[in-house]
Amino acid sequence: GNSVTQMEGPVTLSEEAFLTINCTYTATGYPSLFWYVQYPGEGLQLLLKATKADDKGSNKGFEATYRKETTSFHLEKGSVQVSDSAVYFCALKENNAGNMLTFGGGTRLMVKP
Amino acid sequence: DAGVIQSPRHEVTEMGQEVTLRCKPISGHDYLFWYRQTMMRGLELLIYFNNNVPIDDSGMPEDRFSAKMPNASFSTLKIQPSEPRDSAVYFCASSLEIANTEAFFGQGTRLTVV
Repeated sequence: GNSVTQMEGPVTLSEEAFLTINCTYTATGYPSLFWYVQYPGEGLQLLLKATKADDKGSNKGFEATYRKETTSFHLEKGSVQVSDSAVYFCALKENNAGNMLTFGGGTRLMVKP
Repeated sequence: DAGVIQSPRHEVTEMGQEVTLRCKPISGHDYLFWYRQTMMRGLELLIYFNNNVPIDDSGMPEDRFSAKMPNASFSTLKIQPSEPRDSAVYFCASSLEIANTEAFFGQGTRLTVV
């Protein structure tokens, strides 16, 4: 079956530090890959996505590249802000498997001023 | 569109009582998902519907849980009887039946069973 593995948190960084949150996946087909963000007390929001190998998704300074050879989709940001503090979820969707998302366990990011 | 709307936002109930959570998906979306989020187990898919038909309910933890989607604009998740271990945040999400599209989540219902 499909699965997504994320690095465990919490990740604690100082403002303006570089961020990497690792994500690897297992899928039987050719999935689309997503990063969702959850701010305190809110639902999940799409942060970025990539639908095929070598695609780069980007939004709000965050980036992730779909690497088929390493089955990875690591999230990066060059300079984090306090407002980036949230829980980040990596997810995949196999387009021929019922449209359902498979989520990783989530990684909590805490950014200190 | 106002997005996926869930109600109530918070629910506190006593053990043994029936609880009904409600969801209005985004208009035109073909899929509806119910998730449960806890600290211990993370985000779990409970059940999902396609065009109002339940497709996979293998994530529903027990017979105490049931979900319905009587029409394209409304779904319910019912727990009867509720137990303290059901305390969690329950999310509803919806998506289009188009490859590569994302799911949109509601704000969630925080359920506390005392």
